[in-house]
Amino acid sequence: DAGVTQSPTHLIKTRGQQVTLRCSPKSGHDTVSWYQQALGQGPQFIFQYYEEEERQRGNFPDRFSGHQFPNYSSELNVNALLLGDSALYLCASSLAWASGANTGELFFGEGSRLTVL
Amino acid sequence: GQQLNQSPQSMFIQEGEDVSMNCTSSSIFNTWLWYKQDPGEGPVLLIALYKAGELTSNGRLTAQFGITRKDSFLNISASIPSDVGIYFCAGQNYAGNNRKLIWGLGTSLAVNP
Repeated sequence: DAGVTQSPTHLIKTRGQQVTLRCSPKSGHDTVSWYQQALGQGPQFIFQYYEEEERQRGNFPDRFSGHQFPNYSSELNVNALLLGDSALYLCASSLAWASGANTGELFFGEGSRLTVL
Repeated sequence: GQQLNQSPQSMFIQEGEDVSMNCTSSSIFNTWLWYKQDPGEGPVLLIALYKAGELTSNGRLTAQFGITRKDSFLNISASIPSDVGIYFCAGQNYAGNNRKLIWGLGTSLAVNP
Protein backbone atom coordinates (compact mmCIF):
# COMPACT_ATOMS: atom_id res chain seq x y z
CA ASP A 1 0.00 0.00 0.00
CA ALA A 2 1.75 3.11 -1.25
CA GLY A 3 1.88 6.00 1.14
CA VAL A 4 1.92 9.66 0.19
CA THR A 5 4.63 10.41 -2.34
CA GLN A 6 6.00 13.83 -3.20
CA SER A 7 8.38 15.13 -5.84
CA PRO A 8 10.89 16.55 -6.13
CA THR A 9 12.46 15.96 -2.73
CA HIS A 10 14.79 18.96 -3.00
CA LEU A 11 15.02 21.90 -5.35
CA ILE A 12 16.71 25.26 -5.59
CA LYS A 13 15.18 28.27 -7.31
CA THR A 14 15.98 31.95 -7.57
CA ARG A 15 13.77 34.87 -6.64
CA GLY A 16 11.04 35.58 -9.17
CA GLN A 17 10.98 32.07 -10.57
CA GLN A 18 8.04 29.71 -10.46
CA VAL A 19 7.91 26.21 -8.95
CA THR A 20 5.59 23.22 -9.22
CA LEU A 21 5.51 20.53 -6.55
CA ARG A 22 3.69 17.24 -6.98
CA CYS A 23 1.90 14.86 -4.65
CA SER A 24 0.29 11.45 -4.98
CA PRO A 25 -2.03 10.62 -2.09
CA LYS A 26 -2.12 7.42 -0.11
CA SER A 27 -3.98 4.66 -1.88
CA GLY A 28 -7.71 5.03 -1.29
CA HIS A 29 -7.51 8.67 -0.21
CA ASP A 30 -9.29 11.39 -2.14
CA THR A 31 -8.45 14.61 -0.28
CA VAL A 32 -5.11 16.38 -0.47
CA SER A 33 -3.90 19.20 1.77
CA TRP A 34 -0.72 21.24 1.41
CA TYR A 35 1.30 22.68 4.28
CA GLN A 36 4.34 24.94 4.45
CA GLN A 37 6.85 24.27 7.22
CA ALA A 38 9.56 26.83 7.83
CA LEU A 39 12.64 25.77 9.74
CA GLY A 40 11.91 25.37 13.45
CA GLN A 41 8.19 25.93 13.00
CA GLY A 42 5.09 23.80 12.86
CA PRO A 43 3.39 23.30 9.51
CA GLN A 44 1.08 26.04 8.23
CA PHE A 45 -2.01 25.12 6.23
CA ILE A 46 -1.95 26.37 2.62
CA PHE A 47 -5.04 24.80 1.08
CA GLN A 48 -7.04 21.60 0.67
CA TYR A 49 -8.36 19.95 -2.50
CA TYR A 50 -11.27 17.60 -2.84
CA GLU A 51 -13.12 16.61 -6.01
CA GLU A 52 -10.64 18.70 -8.01
CA GLU A 53 -11.67 21.90 -6.24
CA GLU A 54 -9.99 24.05 -3.62
CA ARG A 55 -12.18 23.61 -0.55
CA GLN A 56 -10.30 25.50 2.14
CA ARG A 57 -7.49 28.00 2.08
CA GLY A 58 -5.12 29.26 4.71
CA ASN A 59 -3.57 32.71 4.93
CA PHE A 60 -1.38 32.50 1.83
CA PRO A 61 -1.26 34.93 -1.11
CA ASP A 62 -2.58 34.19 -4.57
CA ARG A 63 0.96 33.38 -5.68
CA PHE A 64 0.21 29.99 -4.16
CA SER A 65 -2.15 27.96 -6.31
CA GLY A 66 -2.93 24.34 -6.75
CA HIS A 67 -4.68 21.72 -8.73
CA GLN A 68 -6.11 18.28 -8.15
CA PHE A 69 -6.39 15.75 -10.95
CA PRO A 70 -9.05 13.08 -11.50
CA ASN A 71 -6.70 10.44 -10.06
CA TYR A 72 -6.59 12.54 -6.81
CA SER A 73 -2.97 13.56 -7.28
CA SER A 74 -2.22 17.22 -6.75
CA GLU A 75 0.17 20.01 -7.64
CA LEU A 76 1.22 23.07 -5.70
CA ASN A 77 2.39 26.03 -7.76
CA VAL A 78 4.17 29.06 -6.38
CA ASN A 79 4.79 32.06 -8.64
CA ALA A 80 7.17 34.97 -8.23
CA LEU A 81 9.20 33.19 -5.57
CA LEU A 82 10.45 35.16 -2.58
CA LEU A 83 13.29 34.31 -0.24
CA GLY A 84 10.69 33.71 2.48
CA ASP A 85 9.13 30.92 0.46
CA SER A 86 12.09 28.72 1.36
CA ALA A 87 10.57 25.89 3.40
CA LEU A 88 9.60 22.25 3.50
CA TYR A 89 6.33 21.79 1.60
CA LEU A 90 4.29 18.92 2.92
CA CYS A 91 1.44 17.14 1.24
CA ALA A 92 -1.09 15.26 3.34
CA SER A 93 -3.85 12.96 2.21
CA SER A 94 -7.04 11.87 3.91
CA LEU A 95 -10.50 10.53 3.29
CA ALA A 96 -13.38 12.88 2.68
CA TRP A 97 -16.46 12.88 4.88
CA ALA A 98 -18.55 11.33 2.20
CA SER A 99 -16.40 8.22 2.23
CA GLY A 100 -17.94 7.25 5.54
CA ALA A 101 -14.72 6.08 7.16
CA ASN A 102 -13.95 9.49 8.40
CA THR A 103 -11.44 9.75 11.15
CA GLY A 104 -9.91 13.09 10.22
CA GLU A 105 -6.44 11.61 10.22
CA LEU A 106 -3.92 13.07 7.79
CA PHE A 107 -1.02 11.09 6.39
CA PHE A 108 1.99 13.07 5.25
CA GLY A 109 4.59 12.63 2.57
CA GLU A 110 8.28 13.27 3.20
CA GLY A 111 8.01 16.76 1.78
CA SER A 112 9.70 18.85 -0.89
CA ARG A 113 12.49 21.06 0.41
CA LEU A 114 12.47 24.34 -1.53
CA THR A 115 15.37 26.75 -1.27
CA VAL A 116 14.99 30.18 -2.86
CA LEU A 117 18.22 32.10 -3.46
CA GLY B 1 -0.61 31.89 11.23
CA GLN B 2 -2.51 30.38 14.11
CA GLN B 3 -0.50 28.00 16.29
CA LEU B 4 -1.05 26.08 19.48
CA ASN B 5 0.96 26.52 22.68
CA GLN B 6 3.13 23.45 23.05
CA SER B 7 5.52 22.83 25.92
CA PRO B 8 8.22 22.19 26.70
CA GLN B 9 10.02 23.51 23.65
CA SER B 10 12.81 20.97 24.11
CA MET B 11 13.78 18.15 26.44
CA PHE B 12 17.03 16.31 27.05
CA ILE B 13 16.56 13.12 29.03
CA GLN B 14 18.30 9.90 29.95
CA GLU B 15 17.29 6.65 28.29
CA GLY B 16 14.63 4.91 30.37
CA GLU B 17 13.05 8.09 31.71
CA ASP B 18 9.44 9.01 31.14
CA VAL B 19 8.53 12.08 29.10
CA SER B 20 5.52 14.35 29.26
CA MET B 21 4.55 17.18 26.93
CA ASN B 22 1.36 19.15 26.50
CA CYS B 23 -0.51 21.41 24.17
CA THR B 24 -3.07 24.12 24.86
CA SER B 25 -5.36 26.17 22.70
CA SER B 26 -7.50 29.23 23.15
CA SER B 27 -10.21 27.58 21.07
CA ILE B 28 -12.00 24.25 21.20
CA PHE B 29 -11.12 21.34 18.94
CA ASN B 30 -13.01 18.12 18.34
CA THR B 31 -9.89 16.22 17.36
CA TRP B 32 -6.35 16.21 18.74
CA LEU B 33 -3.54 14.52 16.87
CA TRP B 34 0.04 13.87 17.92
CA TYR B 35 2.74 13.52 15.28
CA LYS B 36 6.48 12.79 15.34
CA GLN B 37 8.80 14.27 12.75
CA ASP B 38 12.34 13.07 12.13
CA PRO B 39 14.84 15.31 10.32
CA GLY B 40 14.16 15.47 6.59
CA GLU B 41 10.92 13.52 6.93
CA GLY B 42 7.25 14.32 6.98
CA PRO B 43 5.26 14.05 10.23
CA VAL B 44 4.11 10.57 11.19
CA LEU B 45 0.86 10.14 13.08
CA LEU B 46 1.31 8.66 16.57
CA ILE B 47 -2.07 8.98 18.25
CA ALA B 48 -5.46 10.44 17.32
CA LEU B 49 -8.03 11.53 19.92
CA TYR B 50 -11.68 12.20 19.16
CA LYS B 51 -13.53 12.54 22.47
CA ALA B 52 -13.07 14.89 25.41
CA GLY B 53 -11.52 12.92 28.26
CA GLU B 54 -10.36 10.14 25.95
CA LEU B 55 -7.14 8.40 26.98
CA THR B 56 -5.45 6.42 24.21
CA SER B 57 -2.26 4.37 24.16
CA ASN B 58 0.01 3.28 21.36
CA GLY B 59 2.76 1.10 22.80
CA ARG B 60 4.80 3.24 25.19
CA LEU B 61 2.89 6.35 24.16
CA THR B 62 -0.22 7.59 25.95
CA ALA B 63 -2.21 10.68 25.04
CA GLN B 64 -5.27 12.32 26.52
CA PHE B 65 -7.87 14.69 25.12
CA GLY B 66 -8.55 17.32 27.78
CA ILE B 67 -12.04 17.66 29.25
CA THR B 68 -12.23 21.32 28.24
CA ARG B 69 -11.35 20.30 24.64
CA LYS B 70 -8.67 22.99 24.70
CA ASP B 71 -5.71 20.84 25.68
CA SER B 72 -4.00 17.52 25.25
CA PHE B 73 -0.94 15.78 26.62
CA LEU B 74 1.39 13.08 25.38
CA ASN B 75 3.43 10.80 27.63
CA ILE B 76 6.25 8.52 26.55
CA SER B 77 7.26 5.86 29.03
CA ALA B 78 10.71 4.27 29.32
CA SER B 79 12.26 6.36 26.56
CA ILE B 80 14.70 4.81 24.09
CA PRO B 81 17.17 6.44 21.69
CA SER B 82 14.85 6.07 18.70
CA ASP B 83 12.33 8.34 20.44
CA VAL B 84 14.54 11.24 19.43
CA GLY B 85 12.75 13.69 17.15
CA ILE B 86 10.29 16.55 17.19
CA TYR B 87 6.81 15.89 18.52
CA PHE B 88 3.95 18.03 17.29
CA CYS B 89 0.42 18.38 18.56
CA ALA B 90 -2.28 19.37 16.10
CA GLY B 91 -5.88 20.36 16.64
CA GLN B 92 -8.67 19.93 14.18
CA ASN B 93 -12.34 20.80 13.98
CA TYR B 94 -13.19 17.82 11.91
CA ALA B 95 -16.55 18.30 10.24
CA GLY B 96 -17.67 17.64 6.72
CA ASN B 97 -14.62 17.85 4.52
CA ASN B 98 -12.63 20.09 6.83
CA ARG B 99 -9.18 18.62 7.36
CA LYS B 100 -7.28 21.76 8.33
CA LEU B 101 -4.86 21.17 11.19
CA ILE B 102 -3.62 23.85 13.58
CA TRP B 103 -0.17 22.91 14.85
CA GLY B 104 1.98 23.51 17.87
CA LEU B 105 5.60 24.62 17.46
CA GLY B 106 6.87 21.21 18.48
CA THR B 107 8.79 19.64 21.36
CA SER B 108 12.29 18.58 20.44
CA LEU B 109 13.29 15.42 22.32
CA ALA B 110 16.87 14.27 22.80
CA VAL B 111 17.60 10.98 24.57
CA ASN B 112 20.99 10.26 26.09
CA PRO B 113 21.76 6.53 25.87
